Amino acid sequence: DAGITQSPRHKVTETGTPVTLRCHQTENHRYMYWYRQDPGHGLRLIHYSYGVKDTDKGEVSDGYSVSRSKTEDFLLTLESATSSQTSVYFCAIRDTEAYGYTFGSGTRLTVV
Amino acid sequence: DAKTTQPPSMDCAEGRAANLPCNHSTISGNEYVYWYRQIHSQGPQYIIHGLKNNETNEMASLIITEDRKSSTLILPHATLRDTAVYYCIVRNRDDKIIFGKGTRLHILP
Repeated sequence: DAGITQSPRHKVTETGTPVTLRCHQTENHRYMYWYRQDPGHGLRLIHYSYGVKDTDKGEVSDGYSVSRSKTEDFLLTLESATSSQTSVYFCAIRDTEAYGYTFGSGTRLTVV
Repeated sequence: DAKTTQPPSMDCAEGRAANLPCNHSTISGNEYVYWYRQIHSQGPQYIIHGLKNNETNEMASLIITEDRKSSTLILPHATLRDTAVYYCIVRNRDDKIIFGKGTRLHILP
């Protein structure tokens, strides 16, 4: 496997609290991505990174921020969680050989 | 905005070949066809990709028409473990992946 781990795997948090999800990779890939998946919407891109300190917005970036201070970690932060951010969050890295993506196992976030 | 059209669902008998179609009539010359699948509650998994030629790996075969406007993913001997949502994606290699709704494949025992 590509060595990508997400933490935590599950989290329940209250509305209005900050939440940070972590994506960690061990293979020095340059490109990393955060997606969310909701019933009826499929997978939607939130933010992505193309290098340390280089990030950009995806399709559904409102309410989210990201940081990449080192190659191996890509953090997704919900500054003030809302119930609409209840979702399953997937991180991905881009493989340099096939340019395909390898996804993590996901973080299930519930905002109550 | 997904550039592909896939049937929402398909059934296939266990042990048979599963043939999943994908239309991508607006594909441009430098865009690849990628296939991923997502087994319930897991992260999507890369299956195969191709540009012009047919491709085969240990998981599947990809048949791309000569005009490149459509393709078919073939799972040669489907098993119950192949039940999943299959996504056909067209993109340049440097582009981000934008997922459509995919095809929900049911393997019937």
